[in-house]
Amino acid sequence: QVHLVESGGGVVQPGRSLRVSCTTSGFTFSRYGMHWVRQAPGKGLEWVATIWYDGTNEDYADAVKGRFTISRDNFENTLYLQMNSLRVEDTAVYYCTRDLADYAPAGTFDYWGQGTLVTVSS
Amino acid sequence: EIVLTQSPASLSLSPGEKATLSCGASQSVSSGHLAWYQQKPGLAPRLLIYDTTNRATGTPDRFSGSGSGTDFTLTISRVEPEDFAMYYCQQYDFLPPFTFGQGTRLDIK
Repeated sequence: QVHLVESGGGVVQPGRSLRVSCTTSGFTFSRYGMHWVRQAPGKGLEWVATIWYDGTNEDYADAVKGRFTISRDNFENTLYLQMNSLRVEDTAVYYCTRDLADYAPAGTFDYWGQGTLVTVSS
Repeated sequence: EIVLTQSPASLSLSPGEKATLSCGASQSVSSGHLAWYQQKPGLAPRLLIYDTTNRATGTPDRFSGSGSGTDFTLTISRVEPEDFAMYYCQQYDFLPPFTFGQGTRLDIK
């Protein structure tokens, strides 16, 4: 069965950097687009970033463009989110999600990890 | 960017009743690429419906999706105790950004 497990969250000061990871199993990782979706405490869901199955294309929400970078290692079946210049408003649970479609991502999320909490605070 | 507005913000029903949750889009989701998710406290969301009407693997058939253009609906024919949760709609109409509605909370009456 499909498993997505995030790690790397924690408390970080504003302006600093953090990288979160998502290790995957149970499916052919290199065939699927992947996404990060976040949820601030007590708030709704917000799409953050998408990467194509082969890593050739990336897209970002305006709120994180230029500060966050999504990447993947198709040999290690792992997804990453490098977060730089963190702001208080980036505080959220960050979910790793798999795209419903294989190859070119459709933009909907059929499997989710349990999430990792990133808290940006001085 | 397509803005999704869900109504009502909260809905109180008794088990066995029918639930109707609405999702309105600021512009047409012409592709029909509209999904619904269920989220219970402390857990990750779960995909229920995709492409407006298709049930995801494991979604009970009491859940159904309908709609087109700017108006979409999630219907639960007879609410079960395990259905009390938060529900989000999401559009994926061709290009990012992919956006979510603000959610509808389904509570036990």
